[in-house]
Amino acid sequence: QITLKESGPTLVKPTQTLTLTCTFSGFSLSTSGVGVGWIRQPPGKALEWLALIYWNDDKRYSPSLKSRLTITKDTSKNQVVLTMTNMDPVDTATYYCAHTIAAAGTLDYWGQGTLVTVSS
Amino acid sequence: EIVLTQSPATLSLSPGERATLSCRASQSVSSYLAWYQQKPGQAPRLLIYDASNRATGIPARFSGSGSGTDFTLTISSLEPEDFAVYYCQQRSNWPHTFGQGTRLEIK
Repeated sequence: QITLKESGPTLVKPTQTLTLTCTFSGFSLSTSGVGVGWIRQPPGKALEWLALIYWNDDKRYSPSLKSRLTITKDTSKNQVVLTMTNMDPVDTATYYCAHTIAAAGTLDYWGQGTLVTVSS
Repeated sequence: EIVLTQSPATLSLSPGERATLSCRASQSVSSYLAWYQQKPGQAPRLLIYDASNRATGIPARFSGSGSGTDFTLTISSLEPEDFAVYYCQQRSNWPHTFGQGTRLEIK
């Protein structure tokens, strides 16, 4: 059974760096083809794809946010970490992590999401 | 980056009716298109992958079609639990963009 759960601060100040952790079970990020992605959703708005990391440490980023994002994995802890620098109120959103398989490309298992508010 | 445009923005129908949702890509994505359903307060759920394949556990009333730039999600006979927001997503090019969503509401 695959599960994912996001954790991190619920409130950050403008200009601060956000660090979110996705802790998962039911699969390993050392298995060929496996990946974990991050997606966000501002309140009442659409989904936005952010970043993805694969078992082989291949990393992909949204071009519009690439300069602010870093995605890493800790295979031994079954965790993926997303950092986003220079946070702004427009970054207020629910942040989701999700499981993917490279061959399929779809996000087939999702975490429950974590709401991050950016405010002074 | 590939832009996905979904229409209509809102669709008002009654249970038992047929729903047809559209997703148009700014360039060809071949068949690399997925559909997700999202209910209030919940994470999205994968419905359809590669344009026409139902994900595990998805009822047969959900079907997908299309290729290239034009795609359709059809719900043959709406159940009360189908009223939600639906998103398309392409995996042809990075970044794997989403559409802006179609809200399916009860008429």
